[in-house]
Amino acid sequence: GENVEQHPSTLSVQEGDSAVIKCTYSDSASNYFPWYKQELGKRPQLIIDIRSNVGEKKDQRIAVTLNKTAKHFSLHITETQPEDSAVYFCAASRGWITGGGNKLTFGTGTQLKVEL
Amino acid sequence: ETGVTQTPRHLVMGMTNKKSLKCEQHLGHNAMYWYKQSAKKPLELMFVYSLEERVENNSVPSRFSPECPNSSHLFLHLHTLQPEDSALYLCASSQDLIQGPSYEQYFGPGTRLTVT
Repeated sequence: GENVEQHPSTLSVQEGDSAVIKCTYSDSASNYFPWYKQELGKRPQLIIDIRSNVGEKKDQRIAVTLNKTAKHFSLHITETQPEDSAVYFCAASRGWITGGGNKLTFGTGTQLKVEL
Repeated sequence: ETGVTQTPRHLVMGMTNKKSLKCEQHLGHNAMYWYKQSAKKPLELMFVYSLEERVENNSVPSRFSPECPNSSHLFLHLHTLQPEDSALYLCASSQDLIQGPSYEQYFGPGTRLTVT
C-alpha cells in the first residue's frame, strides 16, 4: 500500500519568513495530493491540493509543488503569520477508484510555529 | 450546525462497555469516512462508505463496527475496547465518484475517546 513520509516534524520560523514542508510517497499510481491544516483542538481543514497533471499550484501565500518522477511534493508558505501556527498534514491517494473509495494516506504531520 | 458534526465530543468508557459514536453531514455528500488520530501518528483511515456501502475496511479490529444507515449518517459502534484504542476519532465526508471530480474531504470536530 501507499506510504507517505513527511519532514520536518517540527518547524519554527520568524514571522514574515517562508516555511517549507516536504513529503514523499511510494505509490506511483497516486494522483491526488492534499494538504490539511489542523489548529490545536480543531478539525483538519483542506488548505490546498494538487493533482498529478500539474506541477505547481498557488493560492495567495500558499503553494504546492509536485515532482512525480521523484515522488515528492512540498508545501510552501510565504510571509508567515502567527495564525499560520498549526499542524500541517500531507496526504496522497489514487483518487476515486470504482468500488474502492477515495483512500487518503496521511503523513505524520509537521508542527509549524511562527514566532513574533 | 452546518458541515460535519460528531457526537459525543468526549467519551470515557471501560473495556467492557459498549458505546457508539455518531457522525452527521449536511453537505449532500455520498461518501463518509472514519479516521483514528493518535498522538504522534498519522491519521489512519479506518472505513470508507460510498452510497451507504462499505468500500474500504482498513484492517480494523472487529471491536470497531461501522454502520451507515443513509448517506447523511455514520456510526461507529465500540465494544470491548483496549486502552490503546484511546484516540481522537474523526469522521469525514466527500463527494463520491458519481457526484463529481472533487476529492476534498470535510472533517468533523472529532470524538475524544478514552478507554480505561
